[in-house]
Amino acid sequence: QQQVKQSPQSLIVQKGGISIINCAYENTAFDYFPWYQQFPGKGPALLIAIRPDVSEKKEGRFTISFNKSAKQFSLHIMDSQPGDSATYFCAARPSNSGYALNFGKGTSLLVTP
Amino acid sequence: KAGVTQTPRYLIKTRGQQVTLSCSPISGHRSVSWYQQTPGQGLQFLFEYFSETQRNKGNFPGRFSGRQFSNSRSEMNVSTLELGDSALYLCASSLDGTGNGYTFGSGTRLTVV
Repeated sequence: QQQVKQSPQSLIVQKGGISIINCAYENTAFDYFPWYQQFPGKGPALLIAIRPDVSEKKEGRFTISFNKSAKQFSLHIMDSQPGDSATYFCAARPSNSGYALNFGKGTSLLVTP
Repeated sequence: KAGVTQTPRYLIKTRGQQVTLSCSPISGHRSVSWYQQTPGQGLQFLFEYFSETQRNKGNFPGRFSGRQFSNSRSEMNVSTLELGDSALYLCASSLDGTGNGYTFGSGTRLTVV
């Protein structure tokens, strides 16, 4: 059972636009929510992460918005660039059953010139 | 600083064979986690080792096993390979295995024919 649901599966955005990827979860014991970026032939790389006591975190062009009551969080990529074209995964870590990350199924982002 | 090294990068095996994959973590990292990545299921947690002890295990059959050596290097083994075991196997190292600060290797692409 997928504990973290991610949408959309794929996304095409023009250069300079805003890319938005959404994730939803059910397990209220999750206490850490990272986003990973993966390029073809590479492993996922940590992009940005947030804890549930914070509603927003920004690092450069990347922002996580977190809605604890709705059990949703999203990644916003401002001023999207062709170099941002990659697959993005959201994840959540349970606080009560080991530390294995539960990943969403990924969003393939293509930023067109 | 060297990253996480996984060997081999590619592997082709026949159904029924067994395979051993290797992961060398970042120097100083004591935790190694393994994930299976497939297009259909995304990233799924296999197991995590810390100081040579398996601390957490995902929902995979007993054909999947692993170990960690005193230098923190880890191996995972899959016995009696099935076609469905074809996947990218990713290793992630971290200082303490708490799920944050993962650094992933580039993975081993296993194809079972």
